[in-house]
Amino acid sequence: AQTVTQSQPEMSVQEAETVTLSCTYDTSESDYYLFWYKQPPSRQMILVIRQEAYKQQNATENRFSVNFQKAAKSFSLKISDSQLGDAAMYFCAYRSGGGYQKVTFGTGTKLQVIP
Amino acid sequence: DGGITQSPKYLFRKEGQNVTLSCEQNLNHDAMYWYRQDPGQGLRLIYYSQIVNDFQKGDIAEGYSVSREKKESFPLTVTSAQKNPTAFYLCASSVGQGRDSGANVLTFGAGSRLTVL
Repeated sequence: AQTVTQSQPEMSVQEAETVTLSCTYDTSESDYYLFWYKQPPSRQMILVIRQEAYKQQNATENRFSVNFQKAAKSFSLKISDSQLGDAAMYFCAYRSGGGYQKVTFGTGTKLQVIP
Repeated sequence: DGGITQSPKYLFRKEGQNVTLSCEQNLNHDAMYWYRQDPGQGLRLIYYSQIVNDFQKGDIAEGYSVSREKKESFPLTVTSAQKNPTAFYLCASSVGQGRDSGANVLTFGAGSRLTVL
């Protein structure tokens, strides 16, 4: 079974600074997808960024980017120019490729943004 | 606007009672999911359904039941057999298969908070 590990329960960053959230996963598959989801205090989960394992290029979405290291099974999220609205729980998630598959989540990292 | 509607937002239950959480989507998604969220444990999968009239157990299915009679609806029943049902429950859906940018991405509802008195 696949597992997703987020070793940082809490992180903090000064407004306008950069922060990196860590995620590692364990799988024997070569075809899969990785995601970062954000859960603000409203508890409405939203997608931040998505990475396909077969793509070597790291995904980026505006101030959010990932560092995908397939051999090391690492998938970190970098938030640049942090804003107060970035304060939330961030969950790393894994999904097998091909067909319908369940999505496995990590335990989350709570990000605090300090004004 | 398309999305997922969960109801009720808050629910209180006495021990020994079954309760049903509603999840409706108008996104025309094939796959639907139920997750349970507890502090410090992330999201754990209860059940998921790929198509109508078919569903599979997730990692923590004991004490829960689901049905998928319509594509749009995936209700979750928390039975009296669930020993610790107090939690936040999230319903999600996805297009499912394919490799385009929208495939495999989960869209979530706003959640339902269940408290056992």
